[in-house]
Amino acid sequence: DGGITQSPKYLFRKEGQNVTLSCEQNLNHDAMYWYRQDPGQGLRLIYYSQIVNDFQKGDIAEGYSVSREKKESFPLTVTSAQKNPTAFYLCASRPSSGPYEQYFGPGTRLTVT
Amino acid sequence: GESVGLHLPTLSVQEGDNSIINCAYSNSASDYFIWYKQESGKGPQFIIDIRSNMDKRQGQRVTVLLNKTVKHLSLQIAATQPGDSAVYFCAETRDDKIIFGKGTRLHILP
Repeated sequence: DGGITQSPKYLFRKEGQNVTLSCEQNLNHDAMYWYRQDPGQGLRLIYYSQIVNDFQKGDIAEGYSVSREKKESFPLTVTSAQKNPTAFYLCASRPSSGPYEQYFGPGTRLTVT
Repeated sequence: GESVGLHLPTLSVQEGDNSIINCAYSNSASDYFIWYKQESGKGPQFIIDIRSNMDKRQGQRVTVLLNKTVKHLSLQIAATQPGDSAVYFCAETRDDKIIFGKGTRLHILP
């Protein structure tokens, strides 16, 4: 089946630890995105990448880092510098041309205590 | 600042009635608008989109209306069903990014 996978679905970490969230897609999409969603809120863009080995900051990039070494993978690291890391993290991808429709993964709920 | 927003955070609709979810946007340069549906604990799903050179587009049980004069977007769901219960987001494209509004929760009354 084609799609986007995120793992794990739930993640728990202690404050001060870095944590990396996985995002993989087999849709052959060029562009990939990371969003953060807080309870009762919309999606806020953290980072996005339109091509391998290139990425841009979104609206709330502070305290996060990404890499795009492969077309299929766009991992997000939540660093200890992120003041409020507990949230629902969503990864998305879309083709570089054509409709702007994004395909979303199932999300990872990160809880930091 | 420029933003995409929604008029109501929660909408309650009787099962079988039509639902209308509204969205206001402020960036007149946006050329593409999208509606997403998000069920609890899941990622958003694409519902329907519309380009700025259109004022109406229909899908299966859904219609999106775009009024560029007042920068208003709406999603109409016909014959609302229990499975339509979710949060609905409008989004606009801007510089290869997709900017989401805060969302409206649609609650279906039995």
